Amino acid sequence: DAGITQSPRHKVTETGTPVTLRCHQTENHRYMYWYRQDPGHGLRLIHYSYGVKDTDKGEVSDGYSVSRSKTEDFLLTLESATSSQTSVYFCAIRPGLADQETQYFGPGTRLLVL
Amino acid sequence: GQSLEQPSEVTAVEGAIVQINCTYQTSGFYGLSWYQQHDGGAPTFLSYNGLDGLEETGRFSSFLSRSDSYGYLLLQELQMKDSASYFCAPFPPGGSYIPTFGRGTSLIVHP
Repeated sequence: DAGITQSPRHKVTETGTPVTLRCHQTENHRYMYWYRQDPGHGLRLIHYSYGVKDTDKGEVSDGYSVSRSKTEDFLLTLESATSSQTSVYFCAIRPGLADQETQYFGPGTRLLVL
Repeated sequence: GQSLEQPSEVTAVEGAIVQINCTYQTSGFYGLSWYQQHDGGAPTFLSYNGLDGLEETGRFSSFLSRSDSYGYLLLQELQMKDSASYFCAPFPPGGSYIPTFGRGTSLIVHP
């Protein structure tokens, strides 16, 4: 257990509404990531953060924004949700071990945009 | 650009050995990670290759050849609980760890 939680775990919303997903970690890791997972696409990186207020875009960042005001929290916002953003969203952290690169993933958030 | 290939599905029987290959065309590639994901669950880390060669962790081994842009995951003594999706994830050098995930290989283990 890498101490990663995501909230909410499930959400149904309507097209055009704003949605914020929260990722919380208890280990003070510097790197945090947001991915989406869709059938046939594997995991695709949306945004990542390498420190408080330091974020960068990933492969599929359009329509998403992020914020990290505290080390432990990384927020993903869909400013105006669309049906194409229906997906499973995973947050991940990077422990940054000296001899091993890995990510630990949160349990995921299932988002349905109607 | 990046292109990553792994088989979409592999089937095997309990007790057997299975190899899941991963090939990629990625500029500036550094290392390779493997992740396992059961249906409805989150991906979990399996193995990491920062250097060429074979890494062994229990029943699982992973191999990397950077000159051949090729790696594989070897699962021995297959068990029913190994039925899952397996993702290879090469990553570039540098201070950030930004892996690229393949589409995954669905492993089905039959009794």
